[in-house]
Amino acid sequence: SQQGEEDPQALSIQEGENATMNCSYKTSINNLQWYRQNSGRGLVHLILIRSNEREKHSGRLRVTLDTSKKSSSLLITASRAADTASYFCATRGEPETSGSRLTFGEGTQLTVNP
Amino acid sequence: EAGVVQSPRYKIIEKKQPVAFWCNPISGHNTLYWYLQNLGQGPELLIRYENEEAVDDSQLPKDRFSAERLKGVDSTLKIQPAELGDSAVYLCASSFSSGYSTDTQYFGPGTRLTVL
Repeated sequence: SQQGEEDPQALSIQEGENATMNCSYKTSINNLQWYRQNSGRGLVHLILIRSNEREKHSGRLRVTLDTSKKSSSLLITASRAADTASYFCATRGEPETSGSRLTFGEGTQLTVNP
Repeated sequence: EAGVVQSPRYKIIEKKQPVAFWCNPISGHNTLYWYLQNLGQGPELLIRYENEEAVDDSQLPKDRFSAERLKGVDSTLKIQPAELGDSAVYLCASSFSSGYSTDTQYFGPGTRLTVL
C-alpha cells in the first residue's frame, strides 16, 4: 500500500523554469525523503527532511515539510533537461509503528523541455 | 565505489515457471532490501534483511516468493511459480544501518520481469 500521494501526476515545463511537486501522507513520520528515478541512473536519493525540520536546501532543490498538514513539497529551481525523471516522496515511520519501513508515493513524472 | 549490482537486468518467462534474481549490495552495507515496483507506481517493500536475518518480511507473498541472504552479503529473491501479475521491476537496495532512521538507501538498477 502507498503511504504518499503526489501531485501532480505529471508536469511539463520549459528549461529554466521552476518545478514544484507536492506530497501528502497519512500517518506520523520520522522523516520524509525525495528520490529521483530515470532510466539512466535508476532510483537515486535526493534529500531527507526530518519531522522536526520545516525546510531544507540542497543545490537547486528546496524541500518543505508541514507535519500539521501531513504534506511536503519539492521545488527544483532553474530546471534542466537532465532533470527529466520521475520524482517520488518516501516516508519513514516511527520504529514503534512500522519498523522504520520506507513507504513510497506513486511519483510525479517531470518533463523538462529544452 | 561500486553501487548495488543486480542480475539479470531483464527476464522473460512463461507463467508457472520459476525465476530468481540476484543482488550484490554495496560493500560494508549490513541492511539489504527487496522492493517490487509496478508500472507507474512507487516501489513497495517485500523484505528487509539486517545481516542474515529477515527482520521485515510481512509484505512478502510467502506462498510463491522466497528470499535468502547467505553470509549476510549477496541475496537471492525467487518466485515459484510465476504468475502474470508478477510482471514488474524488482529492485534491490542496501544501506549501512547505524540505528538511525535517517540511513540512506542505495538502489540497484532493478530486474525487469515479464511473465507471458
